[in-house]
Amino acid sequence: DQQVKQNSPSLSVQEGRISILNCDYTNSMFDYFLWYKKYPAEGPTFLISISSIKDKNEDGRFTVFLNKSAKHLSLHIVPSQPGDSAVYFCAAITGNTPLVFGKGTRLSVIA
Amino acid sequence: KAGVTQTPRYLIKTRGQQVTLSCSPISGHRSVSWYQQTPGQGLQFLFEYFSETQRNKGNFPGRFSGRQFSNSRSEMNVSTLELGDSALYLCASSPKQGAGEKLFFGSGTQLSVL
Repeated sequence: DQQVKQNSPSLSVQEGRISILNCDYTNSMFDYFLWYKKYPAEGPTFLISISSIKDKNEDGRFTVFLNKSAKHLSLHIVPSQPGDSAVYFCAAITGNTPLVFGKGTRLSVIA
Repeated sequence: KAGVTQTPRYLIKTRGQQVTLSCSPISGHRSVSWYQQTPGQGLQFLFEYFSETQRNKGNFPGRFSGRQFSNSRSEMNVSTLELGDSALYLCASSPKQGAGEKLFFGSGTQLSVL
């Protein structure tokens, strides 16, 4: 049973435009959500997070939105840059349990 | 500060063999987690060790095992390898147990089972 779902395996966006990556979850106990970014041949690196008590968190070009009633979160990247091309993983956690990851979305930013 | 180091970087084995992967966490980090990444399956949690004790375990068969040493270094072992075990195995360390955004990943060990 996939508790964290990223239904779009890939996404292509033109440089300078907005990238929107989506994530849905099923476990209402999750209270913290994270996005990790992964380049080929490297391990994932933490990008941005949001607590369940908030509905938005912003860090430079990256903004994460959380809609608890819909059990949905999204990552917005504005403006998108070629260096943003990577696989993005949505993850969720509650308490001291391990991070639960989605399957990832491959973002390609085209110059 | 050195990052998380995983060795070896690449490994080729045949079915039925066993394999041991090694992970050296960031200095001062006491928690080590292991994840398996396969194409189309994302990162699936294997187990987490903290202070030499397994604290959490994922839904993997008993062929997958691990341990942590007193210096926080960790090893994972896979016995009786199957073709489906081919994957990127990622180790992550953190200062404390269950610290989501404080997980620092290594570059992984790419295991190919022939």
